[in-house]
Amino acid sequence: DVKVTQSSRYLVKRTGEKVFLECVQDMDHENMFWYRQDPGLGLRLIYFSYDVKMKEKGDIPEGYSVSREKKERFSLILESASTNQTSMYLCASSEAYRWGTDLRNTDTQYFGPGTRLTVL
Amino acid sequence: AQSVSQHNHHVILSEAASLELGCNYSYGGTVNLFWYVQYPGQHLQLLLKYFSGDPLVKGIKGFEAEFIKSKFSFNLRKPSVQWSDTAEYFCAVNPLKAAGNKLTFGGGTRVLVKP
Repeated sequence: DVKVTQSSRYLVKRTGEKVFLECVQDMDHENMFWYRQDPGLGLRLIYFSYDVKMKEKGDIPEGYSVSREKKERFSLILESASTNQTSMYLCASSEAYRWGTDLRNTDTQYFGPGTRLTVL
Repeated sequence: AQSVSQHNHHVILSEAASLELGCNYSYGGTVNLFWYVQYPGQHLQLLLKYFSGDPLVKGIKGFEAEFIKSKFSFNLRKPSVQWSDTAEYFCAVNPLKAAGNKLTFGGGTRVLVKP
C-alpha cells in the first residue's frame, strides 16, 4: 500500500509566521504535489515536483514556496502566513506516466490525510 | 487554461436510488480522466480512471463512468447507491502533453445517501 504522510493533522499559526508543511511518501514516486482544498473550489494545485530539486508552479503559487531535497520528501512553505491561507492542505504523490516521449504525465495520485491550517 | 465543471454541488438521495454525477472539461486535446472520492474523515482516493480504450470504465464499489469525447464529458454513475456512498466526489483531468503532470480538479459534489 502506498503511504503518504503529512507532518501535522491540525496546525494553528499567527499572521506573519513562517509555516512548514512536510510530506513524505514511501513508494519511490517521481511526482509530488501540494494542493489546497476549499469548499466549493475543489482542489487547487499550488506547486508540484517531478524530480528531486525540480519544482513547477501550479495554479495558485502566490505566497507559497516548496522544497524537494530528497525524492521521498516534499515541503510546502508559507513564508509569511496570512488569514486567507487558512485551508486544508493536501499532499499527493504519483508515478510518472509515459505518453509518447513525455515521461512526465501523472498516473493515479495518492493523497495524504491533509493538514488543516488555521491562520489567526 | 483548462477547467473542469461538476454540475451539482450537493446531491441528496435515498438508498437504492441511481446516481449520476456530471463532469465536463474544456481541454480539446487528448486527456486522462479520473474520479476521486473522499469519504468522511478519510483520504482522497481513486475511484476510477480512463486513459484509453473502452470509453465505459468500471471502478471500485460498483461505480462506472463513461467518456464521451464529443461532449467533453466523463460522467460518473452507480445504479443503486448505499448509505456508505455518502462522500464528496471529484472529477479530475490531466491534459496530455500540454500540462505535463498537472491535474485539474472540479469543484466537487457532496453526495448524501439517506438510509
